[in-house]
Amino acid sequence: SQKIEQNSEALNIQEGKTATLTCNYTNYSPAYLQWYRQDPGRGPVFLLLIRENEKEKRKERLKVTFDTTLKQSLFHITASQPADSATYLCALVGGYALNFGKGTSLLVTP
Amino acid sequence: ETGVTQSPTHLIKTRGQQVTLRCSSQSGHNTVSWYQQALGQGPQFIFQYYREEENGRGNFPPRFSGLQFPNYSSELNVNALELDDSALYLCASSLDWEGYNEQFFGPGTRLTVL
Repeated sequence: SQKIEQNSEALNIQEGKTATLTCNYTNYSPAYLQWYRQDPGRGPVFLLLIRENEKEKRKERLKVTFDTTLKQSLFHITASQPADSATYLCALVGGYALNFGKGTSLLVTP
Repeated sequence: ETGVTQSPTHLIKTRGQQVTLRCSSQSGHNTVSWYQQALGQGPQFIFQYYREEENGRGNFPPRFSGLQFPNYSSELNVNALELDDSALYLCASSLDWEGYNEQFFGPGTRLTVL
């Protein structure tokens, strides 16, 4: 069966450190993968899109990698700040729909 | 440019009732997708409307239905509500139907079924 797995436990890190979130998938062959941020009680907000032929994508303090052999994407936030605290969702693009993981809750403490 | 809006914000219904949720898409977007997000879960795709036609559907029963209007706003209707339908319902608009397009999500409608 198809599965998308993100870090099951919440991630607590200290301000200034790099946060690394994992997204593993099975029985999918996505051509694209997206990452979203979701704050409590709000809709997800798009962060980054990466294509299957791109190994890495960067945007400001964010970096995403996409390894189609390992079936894994890593999402990094460098120099993390308390304002980065939120739930981060990975989404595999399947034609017209997004298939989301459960998300990883990130807490950045001062 | 206004963002995606949804109404109502919260709704309480009883089992067996019917509900209609509304979504106004972002200006210039012709595609609306609806998602259901249960507590502690990621959003699950319900269906997508592209230029007023249903363009694709997830694993949801026919009692979940929708409409898209000429101005590209959309409705989600759920008949014969069940307790498990309690969730946050999100709509997302995009420039086009293909999934790689950035999805702009609304704030959601929190539905509670008692």
